[in-house]
Amino acid sequence: GAGVSQTPSNKVTEKGKYVELRCDPISGHTALYWYRQSLGQGPEFLIYFQGTGAADDSGLPNDRFFAVRPEGSVSTLKIQRTERGDSAVYLCASSPGLAGGVYNEQFFGPGTRLTVL
Amino acid sequence: AQTVTQSQPEMSVQEAETVTLSCTYDTSENNYYLFWYKQPPSRQMILVIRQEAYKQQNATENRFSVNFQKAAKSFSLKISDSQLGDTAMYFCAFMRLYNQGGKLIFGQGTELSVKP
Repeated sequence: GAGVSQTPSNKVTEKGKYVELRCDPISGHTALYWYRQSLGQGPEFLIYFQGTGAADDSGLPNDRFFAVRPEGSVSTLKIQRTERGDSAVYLCASSPGLAGGVYNEQFFGPGTRLTVL
Repeated sequence: AQTVTQSQPEMSVQEAETVTLSCTYDTSENNYYLFWYKQPPSRQMILVIRQEAYKQQNATENRFSVNFQKAAKSFSLKISDSQLGDTAMYFCAFMRLYNQGGKLIFGQGTELSVKP
């Protein structure tokens, strides 16, 4: 079946603009994660959805960042008033979910490379 | 808070040889998972191997094996019979078992080059 897909693959924008990054998880996966990977670094957690609700948004760096998952499937990461420091690869991952501590593998998409000029 | 440290930014190995990538972590938790992920230039993060902290036996997956030292909080990855396709960034990652929804905490990565 299809894996996690992310669109666009690359996004170039100007400082101060608004951007939306989309993630299509694997069908049936209830858990969805966003990570940000700056150049030369490991991914950093941003936000986790279980179904439609944001169960943990502790990684969002500030209130310019917001994410939604209105129907429990596709998710959109929204960044307002972009800054040059927002330039990074934004990775999305999905998993069947986490119940009672039972491990479920996270499957990653190819990421969106965001460049803010 | 948990942290993961990879102290080798770059490593290289000759094809068919063995290489070991290092990882240390810091946590006060007793129940957790540890992972090694591979990220080729395509950016797709691929799970290589995982280890449950409650298991004393080291995990193995074909040419990949780990040396898990819980007391020392060390988790190294050994790649045997290295292949050109193993060239990639490798990330060590930690996952707490409970109450954090399965979010991964990654190290800084080690760039591995396999030379013919």
